Amino acid sequence: TQLLEQSPQFLSIQEGENLTVYCNSSSVFSSLQWYRQEPGEGPVLLVTVVTGGEVKKLKRLTFQFGDARKDSSLHITAAQTGDTGLYLCAGILTGGGNKLTFGTGTQLKVEL
Amino acid sequence: DAGITQSPRHKVTETGTPVTLRCHQTENHRYMYWYRQDPGHGLRLIHYSYGVKDTDKGEVSDGYSVSRSKTEDFLLTLESATSSQTSVYFCAISVGSGSNTGELFFGEGSRLTVL
Repeated sequence: TQLLEQSPQFLSIQEGENLTVYCNSSSVFSSLQWYRQEPGEGPVLLVTVVTGGEVKKLKRLTFQFGDARKDSSLHITAAQTGDTGLYLCAGILTGGGNKLTFGTGTQLKVEL
Repeated sequence: DAGITQSPRHKVTETGTPVTLRCHQTENHRYMYWYRQDPGHGLRLIHYSYGVKDTDKGEVSDGYSVSRSKTEDFLLTLESATSSQTSVYFCAISVGSGSNTGELFFGEGSRLTVL
């Protein structure tokens, strides 16, 4: 059983559309991160959220941490082809030390 | 940017042979990690280290061992490789600001194929 479930698993959209990716768990996390990974490379950190209800914006990307710190979402406004990649959420369980648990990933493809 | 070098980047080996992957960092970060990435499973933690000679198991540690004799090097060894260990292996270091948010910086990965 995966601790962090992401949905959807795959997403193919046209440039200019909006989309939301979800990261859900039944466990409580002290912090949660989002990474983006491109083919042949390692994941790259986009954002960290640590407070329940927190919202962070990174240009066209909006990240939200659930009030109960069990879930998170990533919203992209007006997607561009450069947003194509694998999006991974990852969190540290409350009391989980320094070990990061990753979600299953969402593969996003943005086409012209 | 933290400097991480993984070697080899690609390796093909046969079942039953030992394999060692190396991760080298240049900035004396305390925490280092080995993950494997497989379709449908995301990234899964194999082993991690919190200092020289201090290591601990992750969620998929069976069949793997690690060593850290110097701060800058973290080695992952497959004692007797099996086809189920065909994967992409990522090394990572923790670059958080001390608040234990666990932010990771990853290497470029080592693709291992076990025939």
